[in-house]
This record gives sequence, structure tokens and C-alpha cells, in this order.
Amino acid sequence: NAGVTQTPKFQVLKTGQSMTLQCAQDMNHNSMYWYRQDPGMGLRLIYYSASEGTTDKGEVPNGYNVSRLNKREFSLRLESAAPSQTSVYFCASRVGQGVSPLHFGNGTRLTVT
Amino acid sequence: AQKITQTQPGMFVQEKEAVTLDCTYDTSDQSYGLFWYKQPSSGEMIFLIYQGSYDEQNATEGRYSLNFQKARKSANLVISASQLGDSAMYFCAMREGSETSGSRLTFGEGTQLTVNP
Repeated sequence: NAGVTQTPKFQVLKTGQSMTLQCAQDMNHNSMYWYRQDPGMGLRLIYYSASEGTTDKGEVPNGYNVSRLNKREFSLRLESAAPSQTSVYFCASRVGQGVSPLHFGNGTRLTVT
Repeated sequence: AQKITQTQPGMFVQEKEAVTLDCTYDTSDQSYGLFWYKQPSSGEMIFLIYQGSYDEQNATEGRYSLNFQKARKSANLVISASQLGDSAMYFCAMREGSETSGSRLTFGEGTQLTVNP
């Protein structure tokens, strides 16, 4: 019963490097989300995908791109990492109807030096 | 403008006492939902309780209840009979609009709760 799986768990990048954070859910959820969590700022929405084939910007999309590869997978790409992108990244999914809470992955701790 | 405001960065409570964590929200939508999540020091996000804008009764889940005051736009979390394991960060979140519009959830900045023995 995996739920939402994020990889990697930890990553260190140098400024200017690129990387992709992977996320997959096995709950047949329609909607998927990427958040970042910084101390004192709660969780801020980067991008989300309400359903397969659609993606939309959240509060802090600059410097990121996403791909909803299929219903299960939603990846987040940093094309040219910056120290300001040092954060904990959470992927989440939900059914998208009625009382449907977010189910979160365990997070990726990213450090950009 | 902040859509979700949690005005208490930190709260302390004695074990076995009740505690209220505040949350106010700002939306012009008639249909919305409010969620509370717990984040222990291990980092995972745990869903606690949900209140829909059209729900007439306050939501309850075990020791958690939601004091929903629609006119005041507040959705405070009440934890009864606090336990040491309740020490964690607590986040309030809001879903705006109907589900058919492809909802996004906005989070507050969180309240760090410490339960003292």
C-alpha cells in the first residue's frame, strides 16, 4: 500500500545544475500537486494538475516546470537550480471530488549550494 | 492578501488539557472546504479533519473537532485531552471553488504545538 512515492529523498545540487523530482501515486487519484515547504512559510503551491493532461501554476512557479506523464506520475523539474530553491518538496494527490484530502509523499529535501 | 491566516506561531498546553488552534480564511467563493493537517518532527503530513462550507454541523474526528464560524470566516481546530504525541506543527488549508473547477489547496503558515507533561 505505497500511496504517494517521491524520489529521491535527499539531493544536493550545485547552482545551475538541473534535476527532476519524481512522484507517483497508486490510488487512482485525479489531481496531483507539488508544494515546497520553507521554515516559517508553511507549504506553498508550485504547480498542480487537476486531471491527467492538465497542469496549472500555483503561487511560486518561477524556476520550475512540471509534466503529468500519465494519471499516476507527476514530475517536477528544476532547469537551473538556485540557492533560493533549497527547500523540502512535497508531492501530493487527491481524488479531486467531495471530501477528498491531500495524500502526501514523504518529501524530498533539496539543498542547492 | 493571505488566504489562510494562522496567528499563533507557537502554542503550549498541559497534557490532558484541551487546546484551540486558530485559523481564519479569506474567500469570496460560496463553495469551499477547510482541512487541518498535522506534521510531526518526522516530517510527514497527516490529514486530521475536514469541514465543507455547506456543512451545518461542526466536524469531529475522535479528539479533534473543528469550530467552524462561517460568518467570522474562522475554522479553529480543537484538540481535547492533549497527549504528548500531539506535539507537532499544525496546518490549516483551504480548497476554494467546486471540485469540478480543478481545485487548489492553500495552506497557512502553521502553528507549532508543544504538549507539556
